[in-house]
Amino acid sequence: KQEVTQIPAALSVPEGENLVLNCSFTDSAIYNLQWFRQDPGKGLTSLLLIQSSQREQTSGRLNASLDKSSGRSTLYIAASQPGDSATYLCAGARGNTPLVFGKGTRLSVIA
Amino acid sequence: SAVISQKPSRDICQRGTSLTIQCQVDSQVTMMFWYRQQPGQSLTLIATANQGSEATYESGFVIDKFPISRPNLTFSTLTVSNMSPEDSSIYLCSVGTGIYEQYFGPGTRLTVT
Repeated sequence: KQEVTQIPAALSVPEGENLVLNCSFTDSAIYNLQWFRQDPGKGLTSLLLIQSSQREQTSGRLNASLDKSSGRSTLYIAASQPGDSATYLCAGARGNTPLVFGKGTRLSVIA
Repeated sequence: SAVISQKPSRDICQRGTSLTIQCQVDSQVTMMFWYRQQPGQSLTLIATANQGSEATYESGFVIDKFPISRPNLTFSTLTVSNMSPEDSSIYLCSVGTGIYEQYFGPGTRLTVT
């Protein structure tokens, strides 16, 4: 059964820093991996989707990579801003099966 | 992408009662899922809502407690039955697209007193 682990559980950085959030998964046959953002008390916003044939995806200041052989994904946030403060969740799945979620990394960017 | 709405957005319910949560999607989708997020925790899949047949439940979740309907390709309901304070959570509806991307509704915040 797929298990997804996220490290660190919480992270606090000063504004302007570049940072990396880590995600590992146990099932190397994963087909796709998604990164989400969740603000307190809110739903999930999809940030990036990496399909199994891809190695990375970029959107603005965000870059996500996927290494299936090592069972790892990273989310890189460049030039962090206070508005980036949120919980970041990674989730993986095989094909059209439902996503399995990690416990998230709670990010605080201090002005 | 898909736009998903949920009703109600939040509710406070008494122990022993039931609440039905509605999920509406702006386009026809094949895959619909219901998740639960308990306070301070990540998301746990409750079930896959199947159109025209019984939902597929994950281990630890049963139909009597969480009956699900899916009458068509754009709508589903989740009922939380005989509620207890342990059912206090955010309940989220999700849909899967053809390229295996999942989108989530805004969630229903349930508090059981």
